[in-house]
Parts: sequence; structure tokens; C-alpha cells
Amino acid sequence: GAVVSQHPSWVICKSGTSVKIECRSLDFQATTMFWYRQFPKQSLMLMATSNEGSKATYEQGVEKDKFLINHASLTLSTLTVTSAHPEDSSFYICSASIAGVQYEQYFGPGTRLTVT
Amino acid sequence: AQSVTQPDIHITVSEGASLELRCNYSYGATPYLFWYVQSPGQGLQLLLKYFSGDTLVQGIKGFEAEFKRSQSSFNLRKPSVHWSDAAEYFCAVGFFNAGNNRKLIWGLGTSLAVNP
Repeated sequence: GAVVSQHPSWVICKSGTSVKIECRSLDFQATTMFWYRQFPKQSLMLMATSNEGSKATYEQGVEKDKFLINHASLTLSTLTVTSAHPEDSSFYICSASIAGVQYEQYFGPGTRLTVT
Repeated sequence: AQSVTQPDIHITVSEGASLELRCNYSYGATPYLFWYVQSPGQGLQLLLKYFSGDTLVQGIKGFEAEFKRSQSSFNLRKPSVHWSDAAEYFCAVGFFNAGNNRKLIWGLGTSLAVNP
């Protein structure tokens, strides 16, 4: 149980284009979803927290106009990297939590983004 | 400010040997503590968690961790390591931020290599 999927698992895009990453909770309803960024050999950096039907809460230093997050349903959240640049290349990971279950997050397998 | 420290960036052990991965945290209140494992191509998997109660916590895959409030530590242990345990291990602390959103603060991770 508590499976989270991400699509695509890897994507290559050209500089200046936008790319959308999907995060789905497959067997539970996720009231809250989280988006992380992970650099090679480094820890996870929380980018934003999104609650279903509400605007995402971005962490300090994360550009909300560049990293658009939509949490339209209890099973789907999307991260759109707009006008991507090579420095946006990274590993993006989403996680989801269940209402009433404090803190426990279920993680997707991640999406490797490479911007050329 | 909250922080998590994993002093060991990389550890190598022989298969069958015992393992201890260190984690220290800085947090003003009672922490919610987690250990996750990340294997290549797979999502982060929760090994174990501590919320309250017995300070020795049993997890999956034969792992255990002990919460020591006096030392602000939550070290992960396994009595006999298997080659399949080679992975990246992350310690995390959960808390509510100023916006009353749940957050996890992550350590930088410890990379475990297992010699046959």
C-alpha cells in the first residue's frame, strides 16, 4: 500500500522550454504532497508543500513562477519547470501524505531532469 | 533552527558485520525522527520512525534505531549487514513550520558500501 508514482522517470529538454512532472498516489488519497529537489550526493531540499485545492506553499528561495505546482485532485500533483535552464537540471522527488497521519510521507521514485 | 547531522558521509563494512549509522539533531521540542533508505532507481523507503514511547524502535529489513534524548541522537543499527543493504541512508526530523505545515528536515545522508 501507499504507492506513489512519478512520470516521467527521466526527461531531457532544451533550454527555454517547459517540462511537466506528474506525481500520483496510486492507492490512497493524498491531502498533502511535497516536492523535493536532490542534487548529486546531497540531501533532499524541500521546494514546496501543496494541499489539495489550495495554492502551494513555497520554501524560501524557490521561485514560484518558475516551479509551478498544481494539486488539482487528491491523487495528482504536477510540477512544471518553466523556461528551463541547465541549472535546473536535477533529480526531482515528490512525496505524499495521508490525512491524519502525521509526518509520514510516501515517496515517488523521482524524475531526472536534464536541460541542454 | 532545526538541523540534522549525519557525521559519516561514507561507510564501508563487510558483509555479515554489524552496522551503526549516526544521526544527531537539533530541535527545541520532542522530535519526530525517521530513517529512510534510498537505492538507485528506487524511491525513498521508510525504514523506521520514532514518535514517542519505547526509545528502541524496530524497523524493516532487520534495522533498529535508538532515540537518546540526552545525546540528541537517533542512531541506526543492524547486527549483520547484507550486500543488498548497500544504499544511501537518510535521517530526518519532522516538525511543524510557522505556517503549521508539516516539514521534514533531512541530513546529508550516509552512503553505505558492503564488501563481500
